[in-house]
This record gives sequence, C-alpha cells and structure tokens, in this order.
Amino acid sequence: DTAVSQTPKYLVTQMGNDKSIKCEQNLGHDTMYWYKQDSKKFLKIMFSYNNKELIINETVPNRFSPKSPDKAHLNLHINSLELGDSAVYFCASSQDRGLNTIYFGEGSWLTVV
Amino acid sequence: KQEVTQIPAALSVPEGENLVLNCSFTDSAIYNLQWFRQDPGKGLTSLLLIQSSQREQTSGRLNASLDKSSGRSTLYIAASQPGDSATYLCASPISSGSARQLTFGSGTQLTVLP
Repeated sequence: DTAVSQTPKYLVTQMGNDKSIKCEQNLGHDTMYWYKQDSKKFLKIMFSYNNKELIINETVPNRFSPKSPDKAHLNLHINSLELGDSAVYFCASSQDRGLNTIYFGEGSWLTVV
Repeated sequence: KQEVTQIPAALSVPEGENLVLNCSFTDSAIYNLQWFRQDPGKGLTSLLLIQSSQREQTSGRLNASLDKSSGRSTLYIAASQPGDSATYLCASPISSGSARQLTFGSGTQLTVLP
C-alpha cells in the first residue's frame, strides 16, 4: 500500500495551460504539504494544510492554489503555467503539524514547454 | 532563520567502507533533525528522526547523531553497499505560524563503488 500517492507522475504541458496534481495519503495524518524541488535539487515548502485548513503559505505565485477536500487529500492547481514552473512537486504528510516523521510521495515531474 | 548545510555535495567510496555524512544547522533551538534518502526519480524516504532531547538514533547499519550545541548532525553508514548509493538529505523543522515546515540541506550525493 502506498502511503502518500500523487498523480500524475509525469506531466508535459504548454505554457499558459492550467493543470492539477492530486495527492492522497492513507496514513491518517492531519497535516499535508506541497514541496517544490528545483533543478538544483533544492527542496522548498509551498503550502501546508492541517485538517483542511491552510496553515503554511509560503511566497508562491497566486497562480498556484491548493485545495483540500478532506484531510486525506491535498491537490495542487496551477494556472497559466510558465516555463519556470518546471520542477518536481512533492506531496507529503505528517502527524502533529510536522513534529514527527514526514512521509513523501514519489513526486510529480512537471515540464512546461 | 534556520539554514541547513550539507558538506560534501558529493562523495564516492569503495564498497565496504564506513562513512560519515555531515549536516550543519544555524539555529540550535530545533524540534528534531531528520535524515532522508532520495533515489533518482523517486521521492524521499525517511531514514532516521532524532528528537531534540536525543543524542543519537540507530537503524540497522545507519547511526545518526545530534549535537545541538555545535549545530551539527552526522549520519554514519557502516559497511557501505552499492545499494546505499543515493542522495542523502537532512532537514530540521522550524516554526511557521501554527505549524512547522522542514528546512532542507542541499544534500550529499553518495556513490558506493562495487
């Protein structure tokens, strides 16, 4: 059983398009995250939700909008995609708002052409 | 603001060697320190988590230590194997409003040669 699963794994799309990445966790965790890994492999937090409530919102263009229909799901919508959005996006979850081990999904490779 | 640094950026060792990966952090008021492994094209796998009150954690051939006073953590890998080849990242949660977010180092890419 995959603990944190995200789809799609690979996504190639044209500039200006709107796309979504879905994430689900079956660990019963309250907190979920989106991280972005750039071309230099540096990981940075984008958003975090706890029980469907937004608790972390880093400096991210408002073209990125997270949506959490329930505490097991956190989806990422990206509008008007730009070349610079090309990266790997990781979903993750944890208990206790990040005090315990964080579990990551396998990543979604987004390429904007 | 917490900054996490990992040196070296890359390390290559022959199979069977014991090795140490280093992680430094600037703010000693940490909740915990976590070590992850990332394989190419894969997500991050949690290896060890050391709470701020602990000095070390062990799992199989892995041993992680934490020295808050010096702002350092090490990951010791005993009897390295080619399957240990991966990028190893350390991370520390920092407070961000009502939650905590992980601040990651840039990773050490380890290659174990057969």
